[in-house]
Amino acid sequence: TQLLEQSPQFLSIQEGENLTVYCNSSSVFSSLQWYRQEPGEGPVLLVTVVTGGEVKKLKRLTFQFGDARKDSSLHITAAQPGDTGLYLCAGLYGNKLVFGAGTILRVKS
Amino acid sequence: DTGVSQNPRHKITKRGQNVTFRCDPISEHNRLYWYRQTLGQGPEFLTYFQNEAQLEKSRLLSDRFSAERPKGSFSTLEIQRTEQGDSAMYLCASSEDREVRDYTFGSGTRLTVV
Repeated sequence: TQLLEQSPQFLSIQEGENLTVYCNSSSVFSSLQWYRQEPGEGPVLLVTVVTGGEVKKLKRLTFQFGDARKDSSLHITAAQPGDTGLYLCAGLYGNKLVFGAGTILRVKS
Repeated sequence: DTGVSQNPRHKITKRGQNVTFRCDPISEHNRLYWYRQTLGQGPEFLTYFQNEAQLEKSRLLSDRFSAERPKGSFSTLEIQRTEQGDSAMYLCASSEDREVRDYTFGSGTRLTVV
């Protein structure tokens, strides 16, 4: 059973469109992170959210942590082909990071 | 410091052979983690070290797997008597020992067991 459920699993959109990726759990996390991973490479940390209700912006990316610290979302505005990749959410569970299965995003030009 | 380094990047081995992977973490990070990732899945936790002490191991880490971090710096992950099901990307990450930790991952070792 996956501790963190991500949706959708796969997203294919046109350049310029907006999208949202969701990360949900029945567990409370002390912090939650979002990573982007390209084929053949390790995940690269995008952001860490710690406080319930927290919103962080990174250029065209907006990250939100749910009030109860059980869920999070990643919103991308005006997606570009360079945003293509696997987006992973991960929660700190004890002393380890637990990952969702990821969302594969493909942005077509 | 150039980040977390993993070697080799790719390894093809015959079933039944032993393989060893190496991870060099960021030098000031005292925590080191091993993860395994199969196609279409997120990374799964295998084990972690704080300095040279191995503090937690996943049930995924069967007795054919062993990890060491002898001097609290680099780490090795050995798989004995490899099976086809061991084929995966093996990722290493390191972090500081803080309440809110930023994890830095290496590029991984892609293992193919034929």
